[in-house]
Amino acid sequence: QKEVEQDPGPLSVPEGAIVSLNCTYSNSAFQYFMWYRQYSRKGPELLMYTYSSGNKEDGRFTAQVDKSSKYISLFIRDSQPSDSATYLCAMSGNSGGSNYKLTFGKGTLLTVNP
Amino acid sequence: ETGVTQTPRHLVMGMTNKKSLKCEQHLGHNAMYWYKQSAKKPLELMFVYNFKEQTENNSVPSRFSPECPNSSHLFLHLHTLQPEDSALYLCASSRSGEAQPQHFGDGTRLSIL
Repeated sequence: QKEVEQDPGPLSVPEGAIVSLNCTYSNSAFQYFMWYRQYSRKGPELLMYTYSSGNKEDGRFTAQVDKSSKYISLFIRDSQPSDSATYLCAMSGNSGGSNYKLTFGKGTLLTVNP
Repeated sequence: ETGVTQTPRHLVMGMTNKKSLKCEQHLGHNAMYWYKQSAKKPLELMFVYNFKEQTENNSVPSRFSPECPNSSHLFLHLHTLQPEDSALYLCASSRSGEAQPQHFGDGTRLSIL
């Protein structure tokens, strides 16, 4: 079983739709959860960063973590064509050292159609 | 502008060539990372440096040789690469310490002929 599973899509939605992106994971030691957005020919850009279970909201974006189900989600409200990108989930547990390793999903390609 | 600059953006090289990738960060971070991104695969961590010391080598072949002269600069020296090494190579930086978010550059697109 892969450590992090993420449906690669592609996902195509009309402008204004609510988008739900998800990842599941198997390592119960993961405590820190991130979502990155990657535009074509660009590097990943940190969107959301959460610790443990719960919700975090930032503008049109909401990140949810359910550690009991080992499931994380990113919701995008009122989606815009500029949201078209690949969305990567990433997570980490206590490394016990001075750095930490991120384990990434494969990414979901999202297209928002005007 | 991400604060992490990678050069060159594109590189085409033959299998017998030697080249280097450069990364510079302007964020005051002390940890730097090299990742490999291939189509339909998750990002693969290659190397980690913390305060200029290598703390992680994720079983990377010796044809990839990293160098970190200071906390702001990171290099990846390439020699005798294989076609399967064609990929996007991403540099990232973060504050040192647990669970610090990483900030990425825009990568070098490497093609091996």
